[in-house]
Order: sequence, then structure tokens, then C-alpha cells
Amino acid sequence: DADVTQTPRNRITKTGKRIMLECSQTKGHDRMYWYRQDPGLGLRLIYYSFDVKDINKGEISDGYSVSRQAQAKFSLSLESAIPNQTALYFCATSGMRGEYNEQFFGPGTRLTVL
Amino acid sequence: GEDVEQSLFLSVREGDSSVINCTYTDSSSTYLYWYKQEPGAGLQLLTYIFSNMDMKQDQRLTVLLNKKDKHLSLRIADTQTGDSAIYFCAETVTGFQKLVFGTGTRLLVSP
Repeated sequence: DADVTQTPRNRITKTGKRIMLECSQTKGHDRMYWYRQDPGLGLRLIYYSFDVKDINKGEISDGYSVSRQAQAKFSLSLESAIPNQTALYFCATSGMRGEYNEQFFGPGTRLTVL
Repeated sequence: GEDVEQSLFLSVREGDSSVINCTYTDSSSTYLYWYKQEPGAGLQLLTYIFSNMDMKQDQRLTVLLNKKDKHLSLRIADTQTGDSAIYFCAETVTGFQKLVFGTGTRLLVSP
């Protein structure tokens, strides 16, 4: 079984709809991250969480919100989706040791906003 | 500031060596990483190097770090079609508990 899972894997929605992307992990890591990937722009950090009570904005948090329901679950919401939020979204976890920060990624959710 | 840059595409023939380059601007970087993304999948750590090292070799992979020029490279020897993927470099910046990723280099290996 995969260590980091994301649901749904693909989603097509319309402008203005509310969307939730879910992430679960079985690695026992405290740290979880949400990124979006756009061609030519690489991965950009949306939000990150170091534990259930610690949530931080990344570089592109506008238009997004998150919820850390448990150590193993971290959800990303788009309250009112717009077309420029069409992208590939990745969840990641990390069991950081000192400065070493290997991150483990889920398979991604491809979101299309029409 | 944090900014990691890579060229977008590289095309090589099977059996040749591939060299993927990366430049970064934050001199306080401690660890630098190379991730591989295969089609339809998430990123997976390929290798990493600590900032006090100049070179790291792991089978077909060689990582070179030039701290003076803030330049990182990944060399893949005897490149195979299965190496076709997007390669991302990333850095952990001292004091920041997150990674900053480059734009990614798409490697295409032709038979």
C-alpha cells in the first residue's frame, strides 16, 4: 500500500465551486505539505503543517485553505475555484532530522477548473 | 532570497551521459536534493548532498556541488530510456523547515 495517498486523482469542476483535496499518510510523520505544480514553474508551496495545531502559509496561499484533521490527514480546500487554479496538486510528508528534510510525495491530484 | 533555477529540457541518446544543472542563490543552503518525477507519479528522492561535500557518487549518479558559484549538477552515466522523467533540484535553507524546488528539467532519452 502507498504511504501517501491523495483523493481524488483527477477532478474537473466549474468556476465558483468549492473543492476539497484530501491527503492521508501512514508514515507517522508530523510534517505535511501541499504543493502545486505548473509547467515551467516547478513546485510551489501552498501550505505546510508541523503538527495538528501548527499550520503555516506557503508562498502561494491566496485562494486556498487547509485543515489538519489528525496527524495522518491534511486537506486542501479551494473555497471558490477559478481557472488559474488548474494545476497538478501534490501532498508530501517529512520526518525531518536536523536540517535533513527528505519529503515523500503522494501521486498527485490533477485539477481542472472550467 | 530563495531562487532555484534549471534549464527546462534536455534530450540525449540512450547510452550517453546526461548532465542536469541547477543554480541557487541562497548561500546558507545546507542540504541539496535531486528528485525524479516519472509520468503520472509524484516526486521521489533520487539523491542528496550535504553542503560540506563537493561530490557524491551513487552507482550511475554523480552529484557535483560548487558552493562558490552556487551550482549543483546531476550526471547520469549510461542513460537509459527508463531515465526519461522530470528532474527537480531542491534546497533546504538554514532556519527554514521547508524545501525550495527548482523549475524542473525534462529529460528525454531516445533509443
